[in-house]
Amino acid sequence: DAKTTQPPSMDCAEGRAANLPCNHSTISGNEYVYWYRQIHSQGPQYIIHGLKNNETNEMASLIITEDRKSSTLILPHATLRDTAVYYCIVFSGNTPLVFGKGTRLSVIA
Amino acid sequence: DSGVTQTPKHLITATGQRVTLRCSPRSGDLSVYWYQQSLDQGLQFLIQYYNGEERAKGNILERFSAQQFPDLHSELNLSSLELGDSALYFCASSVTGQDPYNEQFFGPGTRLTVL
Repeated sequence: DAKTTQPPSMDCAEGRAANLPCNHSTISGNEYVYWYRQIHSQGPQYIIHGLKNNETNEMASLIITEDRKSSTLILPHATLRDTAVYYCIVFSGNTPLVFGKGTRLSVIA
Repeated sequence: DSGVTQTPKHLITATGQRVTLRCSPRSGDLSVYWYQQSLDQGLQFLIQYYNGEERAKGNILERFSAQQFPDLHSELNLSSLELGDSALYFCASSVTGQDPYNEQFFGPGTRLTVL
């Protein structure tokens, strides 16, 4: 079972920041927070991951709370091509990735 | 483009038949994973190989088997196919397969339709 809780769906206006929340209150000290997205029926696409510190790459930013019980994925300027299902996953490396139901993000023009 | 390739893209077959799905990992990646995505089950982990050896097993049916070859490509064999095996099958690869900081990269998938 997935160890994360995400809202089933969210809307975001094109050009605005999309903030996708994730709760992982039972995360262990050696588990990373990973984010993937799946556009339509394509293969899941890696976005970003982090352990404790906030992370940023060319796609997104990941903000992890100090207690590590929740995190937020930020897409700074959402475009229509960002419409997808976003998965938040906690991962230790010793178990496979467990995908939950994710958040369906709809970017609206 | 993730660098992971899968063939074929689409496969249509009949119940009772056997098929083989193929995956080539990214250059340098030693670990290969197989996932199944059906409408009612979501993305489910099937099996992982690392450098030719089975590393982890998920909810893989006994009718399914996989292997990783010396050149690191992998094949997933599905036999005695049933209607319920219709799904998208994804392959992913990562550098080591044991470290939590090495991400998995997914291929485009094979869509299997069993009639």
